[in-house]
Amino acid sequence: SQQGEEDPQALSIQEGENATMNCSYKTSINNLQWYRQNSGRGLVHLILIRSNEREKHSGRLRVTLDTSKKSSSLLITASRAADTASYFCATAISGGSYIPTFGRGTSLIVHP
Amino acid sequence: NAGVTQTPKFRVLKTGQSMTLLCAQDMNHEYMYWYRQDPGMGLRLIHYSVGEGTTAKGEVPDGYNVSRLKKQNFLLGLESAAPSQTSVYFCASSTYSETQYFGPGTRLLVL
Repeated sequence: SQQGEEDPQALSIQEGENATMNCSYKTSINNLQWYRQNSGRGLVHLILIRSNEREKHSGRLRVTLDTSKKSSSLLITASRAADTASYFCATAISGGSYIPTFGRGTSLIVHP
Repeated sequence: NAGVTQTPKFRVLKTGQSMTLLCAQDMNHEYMYWYRQDPGMGLRLIHYSVGEGTTAKGEVPDGYNVSRLKKQNFLLGLESAAPSQTSVYFCASSTYSETQYFGPGTRLLVL
């Protein structure tokens, strides 16, 4: 079973708009990672946020983590056509071996 | 520093044939993983390893075997390929509680 699930499954916006996608998970985590995958390509790591962190930024990306709600969000500001991709969250349960599990992803389309 | 590499990039098999996928990392990572990705399913963990000489089953291990004889290499074997194993296979490595680094993937088609 998949620990994390992204929402929405698909998102279509215009260039310049902000894109927000969410990840919900079921059990306490060690950390949460966001990845991007362009069609037919490998996974590119975006941000890792630890369970004791609430927010992280990287360029146009902002990730928040709410451990009380067991959820995270990824915000992409001022989207570009090049941001068109699938976005995945991966959560690693706290304790024991480090085994990140992935959700099904959000497919983002940014129209020029 | 090549990161994580996978061999081969693409392979076509007939049902019942066997093959081995090779993953290599040059970052001295303890953890290595094999995932498969199918349309609409995200990545599912097949097997993983927490160190040289160790392996463990993931979410979908049936039909696959793995070995980690050297710290830098993680091999995924298909003893008797089935059409249900048509997928894209990704290898990853990491240290504990840190970023996973992924290889470029291997596309496998089983006819």
